[in-house]
Amino acid sequence: QKEVEQNSGPLSVPEGAIASLNCTYSDRVSQSFFWYRQYSGKSPELIMSIYSNGDKEDGRFTAQLNKASQYVSLLIRDSQPSDSATYLCAVDNNNDMRFGAGTRLTVKP
Amino acid sequence: GAVVSQHPSRVICKSGTSVKIECRSLDFQATTMFWYRQFPKKSLMLMATSNEGSKATYEQGVEKDKFLINHASLTLSTLTVTSAHPEDSSFYICSAFSKNTEAFFGQGTRLTVV
Repeated sequence: QKEVEQNSGPLSVPEGAIASLNCTYSDRVSQSFFWYRQYSGKSPELIMSIYSNGDKEDGRFTAQLNKASQYVSLLIRDSQPSDSATYLCAVDNNNDMRFGAGTRLTVKP
Repeated sequence: GAVVSQHPSRVICKSGTSVKIECRSLDFQATTMFWYRQFPKKSLMLMATSNEGSKATYEQGVEKDKFLINHASLTLSTLTVTSAHPEDSSFYICSAFSKNTEAFFGQGTRLTVV
């Protein structure tokens, strides 16, 4: 079983819709969870971090964490074509960070 | 946010030569740095973890004698690709950690071996 799993996509949503990205992880003691956005040929950039169960909102982005289910998600409201990228889920346990394979999101105008 | 500088951003080298990539944390002390490589349309693949002042820990399948990592100070880690071959052509990315912070990524280095 992979340590961090994501649906590789591609996920396609129309402009203005909500994009939902999901991630599951295998290590129950994981402490920190991150979502990175990576444009083609560029380095990943941090979108959201979440450390406790529940929702965390930042602008159009909402991260959701459920440690019991070992599940973390990212919602993007009012999706824009500029949101088209690969989104990487990362899980950290005491400075041992593991990435999912990434979900490719396309937002169509 | 914190800044991690990776240099060079692009490098072309001849087969058989060595290439050094630097990763610097500019405004924080990075106790741990990670080196990744990424093939086109693929996710990041962790190559090794380096802690300041100690030997790097390599992931399974990564040749430590080919990919030399040195983390000599709390702000600098280097990755040297020795005797490079065309199959080493890839995008290499470093990330730096300070305890209890997020990982901050360098800009990445596009290596092309001809």
